[in-house]
Amino acid sequence: NAGVTQTPKFQVLKTGQSMTLQCAQDMNHEYMSWYRQDPGMGLRLIHYSVGAGITDQGEVPNGYNVSRSTTEDFPLRLLSAAPSQTSVYFCASRGGQGNQPQHFGDGTRLSIL
Amino acid sequence: AQSVTQPDIHITVSEGASLELRCNYSYGATPYLFWYVQSPGQGLQLLLKYFSGDTLVQGIKGFEAEFKRSQSSFNLRKPSVHWSDAAEYFCAVGEDDYKLSFGAGTTVTVRA
Repeated sequence: NAGVTQTPKFQVLKTGQSMTLQCAQDMNHEYMSWYRQDPGMGLRLIHYSVGAGITDQGEVPNGYNVSRSTTEDFPLRLLSAAPSQTSVYFCASRGGQGNQPQHFGDGTRLSIL
Repeated sequence: AQSVTQPDIHITVSEGASLELRCNYSYGATPYLFWYVQSPGQGLQLLLKYFSGDTLVQGIKGFEAEFKRSQSSFNLRKPSVHWSDAAEYFCAVGEDDYKLSFGAGTTVTVRA
């Protein structure tokens, strides 16, 4: 049981490049979320999805796009990378019933030069 | 708007001693409250959560938290700390756990 899988684990980009961070879960979870974690700031919600075909913005959505074409996958796209997007990105998922815990991936560490 | 404050950036505690981590929140309605733990290089793991009912919540690894509405607090406690409890701890609030607001975290160091 893989849980929440994020790829890649590390990536270095140049300013202006585009990239997709992958997130996949094998638990048939309806809810999926993307967070970024910066030193001294905790995690901040970027985008989330309550099911296939449904996405919405979180606290810090600018510069990021998401899509949810399948239940399993929730990719995060950086359209034109900026140094301010240097961060650790976490994907999380949760089943539909309210008492189920949220599962986090191990993160993607992204550096923008 | 919802927000979370964790007043202590870093706490050092001796092994076997008690631990209390503070969390204060701001939320417009009845909050859902969570505590997560993060070990270095890992994702977050849920310790416990409060939705409603009994204000003293038991979690995994011997942790508990108490919801105090009058103080807008949700402090985390453990009676006797083990070296393996060294980690970063995050308090979070939201209408549901797939869209949370997190505090900045408290790093716990355990000394022998």
